[in-house]
Amino acid sequence: DGGITQSPKYLFRKEGQNVTLSCEQNLNHDAMYWYRQDPGQGLRLIYYSQIVNDFQKGDIAEGYSVSREKKESFPLTVTSAQKNPTAFYLCASSASRQGSEQFFGPGTRLTVL
Amino acid sequence: GQNIDQPTEMTATEGAIVQINCTYQTSGFNGLFWYQQHAGEAPTFLSYNVLDGLEEKGRFSSFLSRSKGYSYLLLKELQMKDSASYLCAVRVTGGGNKLTFGTGTQLKVEL
Repeated sequence: DGGITQSPKYLFRKEGQNVTLSCEQNLNHDAMYWYRQDPGQGLRLIYYSQIVNDFQKGDIAEGYSVSREKKESFPLTVTSAQKNPTAFYLCASSASRQGSEQFFGPGTRLTVL
Repeated sequence: GQNIDQPTEMTATEGAIVQINCTYQTSGFNGLFWYQQHAGEAPTFLSYNVLDGLEEKGRFSSFLSRSKGYSYLLLKELQMKDSASYLCAVRVTGGGNKLTFGTGTQLKVEL
């Protein structure tokens, strides 16, 4: 079955620690995206990548980093510089064709203690 | 930048029809998406409009007026399972398929 996987579903970390969230897709999509969602809020774009080995900052990139070494994978690192990292993180992918919808993974709920 | 407005909450009755509005201000508009999101889950794609008019898909329809910067999502024959958040998202020229999302409308369907 084609789809997007994110792991783990729930993640707890101590303040000051970096943490990496996994995102893998087998849909053969060129583009991948990371969003953050806070309670009662919409999705805010952190980083996106339209092709392997290239990525751009979204609206709230500070305190986050990404890599895109493989088409299938787009891991997100939440660094200690991110002031308020507790949130629901969603990864998505889409084809390059104009108007292609984004498909979302199940999300990772990160709690920083 | 872009500005997208949706009502925060709506309540409707099972079996009824509900219309969820979305207004946007953006330069380089190049398409509008609607997604459904149940609590704690991933958003799922509902509809896409890039030209003016109505797109119908079963119980769900979406309308777009580019000159007014306005869209709505129409849900017919409401079911309890339609209780969810509905997200409006806008795509702009030059951004690939990158989207900017509104804050979502929480719909509650009651008996």
